[in-house]
Amino acid sequence: DQQVKQNSPSLSVQEGRISILNCDYTNSMFDYFLWYKKYPAEGPTFLISISSIKDKNEDGRFTVFLNKSAKHLSLHIVPSQPGDSAVYFCAASAPNQGAQKLVFGQGTRLTINP
Amino acid sequence: DAGITQSPRHKVTETGTPVTLRCHQTENHRYMYWYRQDPGHGLRLIHYSYGVKDTDKGEVSDGYSVSRSKTEDFLLTLESATSSQTSVYFCAISDLPGEKLFFGSGTQLSVL
Repeated sequence: DQQVKQNSPSLSVQEGRISILNCDYTNSMFDYFLWYKKYPAEGPTFLISISSIKDKNEDGRFTVFLNKSAKHLSLHIVPSQPGDSAVYFCAASAPNQGAQKLVFGQGTRLTINP
Repeated sequence: DAGITQSPRHKVTETGTPVTLRCHQTENHRYMYWYRQDPGHGLRLIHYSYGVKDTDKGEVSDGYSVSRSKTEDFLLTLESATSSQTSVYFCAISDLPGEKLFFGSGTQLSVL
């Protein structure tokens, strides 16, 4: 039962263009969403988050969009840079589920080509 | 960076042997987690702790046990390792449940 899904295992984008990573979820109780970035041989690091009371959150080159009716969120990176090449995980959490409530997607490997 | 140290960083072991992975934090965070990362599955929660001696199971807890005798240390034990437990294991900590997690660098475990 995959509650958070990233249907694209990989994505290749030209440097300077926009990268769009997608994530779908099934649990309508999720109210907080996060994106993590992971380089090889390192642990995931927090990138950006959004609460369900908002539909957009921006931090520099990174913007997360949330469409609650479609149960869909996306991460936009613009412009894409070679250092953005990494695996990106989306995650979601719901209230009142205790400490284990953060659920991760399968990850999308982003490659930025020069 | 959050002060999280995982040891060992790499381990190769044989099927049927016990294995213990250690996570040590210097942030005094209440919540600690063990995840495993596998291709096609992302990060899956094995066990978590919400305080000293307070632990609970995650979605893939079979074959694993944990202990937390001090705030700063969270141990993951494979009582009798199997090849299906070959994976990368990540420890994570947080100050609030289900909010932003800080991850360690991971332990690559190979069970032959």
